[in-house]
Amino acid sequence: DGGITQSPKYLFRKEGQNVTLSCEQNLNHDAMYWYRQDPGQGLRLIYYSQIVNDFQKGDIAEGYSVSREKKESFPLTVTSAQKNPTAFYLCASSVLDRRGNEQFFGPGTRLTVL
Amino acid sequence: QKEVEQNSGPLSVPEGAIASLNCTYSDRGSQSFFWYRQYSGKSPELIMSIYSNGDKEDGRFTAQLNKASQYVSLLIRDSQPSDSATYLCAVKRVSELSFGAGTTVTVRA
Repeated sequence: DGGITQSPKYLFRKEGQNVTLSCEQNLNHDAMYWYRQDPGQGLRLIYYSQIVNDFQKGDIAEGYSVSREKKESFPLTVTSAQKNPTAFYLCASSVLDRRGNEQFFGPGTRLTVL
Repeated sequence: QKEVEQNSGPLSVPEGAIASLNCTYSDRGSQSFFWYRQYSGKSPELIMSIYSNGDKEDGRFTAQLNKASQYVSLLIRDSQPSDSATYLCAVKRVSELSFGAGTTVTVRA
């Protein structure tokens, strides 16, 4: 089956810890994205990548880091510098298309800071 | 001014009625527009994309785009209880999407 997987589904973190969220896709998409969603709010872009070994900051990159060593994988690390990390984290991917940018989402990871 | 604005709702419609959702955007140069449906606790699901002025129909869904007014809408005909969800409007920036906060729709039986 083609799709996007994220793990874990739920993650609990103590204050001061770094945690890494996994995102894998087998859709052969070039572009991958990380969003954060807070209750009652829309999606805010953290980072995105259009090619292996390259990525760009989104609107709220502070306190986060990413890597893109393989086309299929785009892990997100939430560092201890992120002041309010409790949120629903969504990974998406898309083909690179000058006109459209239909993004498809994984099931998400819900992160809670204890 | 937010890049993408939607009425937050909630929008309550009776079963079988038409639900009308609105979205305005600030970047006049935007060319691509998308509607996503998000059930509570789940991730967004793409339901419509539209690139040209006018209407685009897909089953019970119709997207309408007016670039001159910087306005895109979604109509849901014959609304069903399964349509109860939050609907997110997204607009393409240079190489990524900007999302509105979403409109919550409740279809009452």
